[in-house]
Amino acid sequence: AQKITQTQPGMFVQEKEAVTLDCTYDTSDPSYGLFWYKQPSSGEMIFLIYQGSYDQQNATEGRYSLNFQKARKSANLVISASQLGDSAMYFCAMSFGGSQGNLIFGKGTKLSVKP
Amino acid sequence: GAVVSQHPSRVICKSGTSVKIECRSLDFQATTMFWYRQFPKKSLMLMATSNEGSKATYEQGVEKDKFLINHASLTLSTLTVTSAHPEDSSFYICSASAGSTNQPQHFGDGTRLSIL
Repeated sequence: AQKITQTQPGMFVQEKEAVTLDCTYDTSDPSYGLFWYKQPSSGEMIFLIYQGSYDQQNATEGRYSLNFQKARKSANLVISASQLGDSAMYFCAMSFGGSQGNLIFGKGTKLSVKP
Repeated sequence: GAVVSQHPSRVICKSGTSVKIECRSLDFQATTMFWYRQFPKKSLMLMATSNEGSKATYEQGVEKDKFLINHASLTLSTLTVTSAHPEDSSFYICSASAGSTNQPQHFGDGTRLSIL
């Protein structure tokens, strides 16, 4: 069965520092996608970054990078130069079966950026 | 980027009322739309998957007659909470997918439903 695990319920980071949010996954499907979403207190889900299971290089999007370690089944999100606006819930999610359907989400990590 | 519009953003109504929530993909054709429910401080729980022109696929434990889903076009899906009761109060959020690989689901802004 597919599973996403986020072990950090909450994280604190000082403004301008980098932070890593952990995500591990479990699937027997060779084709899958890994996503990170940000959910501010207002509720909307904002797509941040995507990593395909066959991608050779780690995905990067501006200050976001995904540390993809396939053998360890981990897909940690790295946020560099944290900003106060980064304070939010962050969800790791996985799609599988070669489609974009059936996203399963981790429980989320609440990130708080301190000034 | 792709835009998904969800309306209304907030609903407060009396017990027994039926509430309709709309989810529109504004700048792409969504072959598949998803409806999620989120309890406070919890993750998203997939309720159902809808494909244009066909019946929705509901997740285990989700009442089909309670949560009616219609996906009449490639840009619109609706969720109707029928005869809503206080336990149906929650945050409902939709997402849309164009169905192509390497493309994320794009989410609406969610609907906060409060049943009195």
